[in-house]
Amino acid sequence: DGGITQSPKYLFRKEGQNVTLSCEQNLNHDAMYWYRQDPGQGLRLIYYSQIVNDFQKGDIAEGYSVSREKKESFPLTVTSAQKNPTAFYLCASSIQGGVTNTEAFFGQGTRLTVV
Amino acid sequence: GNSVTQMEGPVTLSEEAFLTINCTYTATGYPSLFWYVQYPGEGLQLLLKATKADDKGSNKGFEATYRKETTSFHLEKGSVQVSDSAVYFCALGGSSNTGKLIFGQGTTLQVKP
Repeated sequence: DGGITQSPKYLFRKEGQNVTLSCEQNLNHDAMYWYRQDPGQGLRLIYYSQIVNDFQKGDIAEGYSVSREKKESFPLTVTSAQKNPTAFYLCASSIQGGVTNTEAFFGQGTRLTVV
Repeated sequence: GNSVTQMEGPVTLSEEAFLTINCTYTATGYPSLFWYVQYPGEGLQLLLKATKADDKGSNKGFEATYRKETTSFHLEKGSVQVSDSAVYFCALGGSSNTGKLIFGQGTTLQVKP
């Protein structure tokens, strides 16, 4: 079955640590996205990538980093510079970036908690 | 810039009641509009979409019509079920050079038996 897989489902981080969230898709989509979801605030875009080896900052990129070395994979690193990392993180993909009528497909999310 | 505004929740209904969740948007050009649903602890699933003015998207008894004159895309369902309890997000197709979606803040629906 085609889809987007995020792992792990739950992640605990100590203050000062970097952690990496995995996102893999087998839909052959060009574009991938990372969103952060906080209660009552909807989804906010962290980073997005329209093609392999290229990515752009979204609305709240500070304290995060990404890479896009393979079409299928778009890992997100939450660094120690992110002051309030506890949130639900959602990865998404769409068939093609730069097209306004295409929907995004989402993974099941990773809930990150700082302990 | 482009933006989406949804009615605030939570919305609490009895089973078989009529549902409306309001969504209005601000946009340049003619972007597509989407409704997504999120069940507890899960990611978002596309519920329906409309790609141009006067289009009606529909799925699982839910409907929404792309109204350019009122810049709206309200979600409706004639008879809700307990299983419809979830968070609903209205989204706008993004700018032509990114394809990213712009989401509303989400509306929580709770349906009681």
